[in-house]
Amino acid sequence: SAVISQKPSRDICQRGTSLTIQCQVDSQVTMMFWYRQQPGQSLTLIATANQGSEATYESGFVIDKFPISRPNLTFSTLTVSNMSPEDSSIYLCSVYSGARTDTQYFGPGTRLTVL
Amino acid sequence: SQQGEEDPQALSIQEGENATMNCSYKTSINNLQWYRQNSGRGLVHLILIRSNEREKHSGRLRVTLDTSKKSGSLLITASRAADTASYFCASGTYKYIFGTGTRLKVLA
Repeated sequence: SAVISQKPSRDICQRGTSLTIQCQVDSQVTMMFWYRQQPGQSLTLIATANQGSEATYESGFVIDKFPISRPNLTFSTLTVSNMSPEDSSIYLCSVYSGARTDTQYFGPGTRLTVL
Repeated sequence: SQQGEEDPQALSIQEGENATMNCSYKTSINNLQWYRQNSGRGLVHLILIRSNEREKHSGRLRVTLDTSKKSGSLLITASRAADTASYFCASGTYKYIFGTGTRLKVLA
C-alpha cells in the first residue's frame, strides 16, 4: 500500500486567512482525492486532484474556496481560502491503488481549527 | 446528499459479543469498502468486497454485499475493547462515497 503524509498535521487559524495543506505519496499514483470530515461526521469528497489539469469538484465545493494543485504524480495541495469557523474540520487526502487491489488509502489527515 | 447510510449510528456491546453494521448506498459500484477510524485519526482499510461477490471473510470480519438491494454489512465476531472505533462503508468505482458511519463501543 502507498505511504501518504500530510503537512501540517494540525493548525489553528484566524477567520479570513487561508491555509495550504500538502499531501505527499511515496509512489506515483494516478488518482488523488481530497476529503473533508466535519466534527463528529463522516467523510465528504471535496474533489479529485488531476495531474496536469484542473481538479474536478463535487457538488457544493468550488475552486475559489478550495483551490487544488497537482503538479506531479506524487504530490498535491489543497488550500482552504478565506476561512470561517465552519471550515473547522479534518482534511484528508487519499490515493486510489489501481484496479488490481481496487482500494483507496488515506493520509493521516490535517486537523484545522478556525477561530 | 452524496453519502450512503449506515445503521446503527451507534452500537454498544460487551466484549465477546458480535457487532453488525449495515450500509446502504445509492449508485452502481465496483466494490464496497470498510474502514475503521479511531478517535478522529486516520482511516484504516479493513476489507473490500467486489460487486460480483456476496460474502467474504477475513479473520474476525465477515462482510456481505447485495447489489440488487444496494446494501452490505460488516460483522465483527468475538469483539474486543480494542475494536472500539467508528466504522465507515465506502462505495464506488475508483472514487468512493462514504456512509454516515457507526460508532462502536466495546465494553470490557
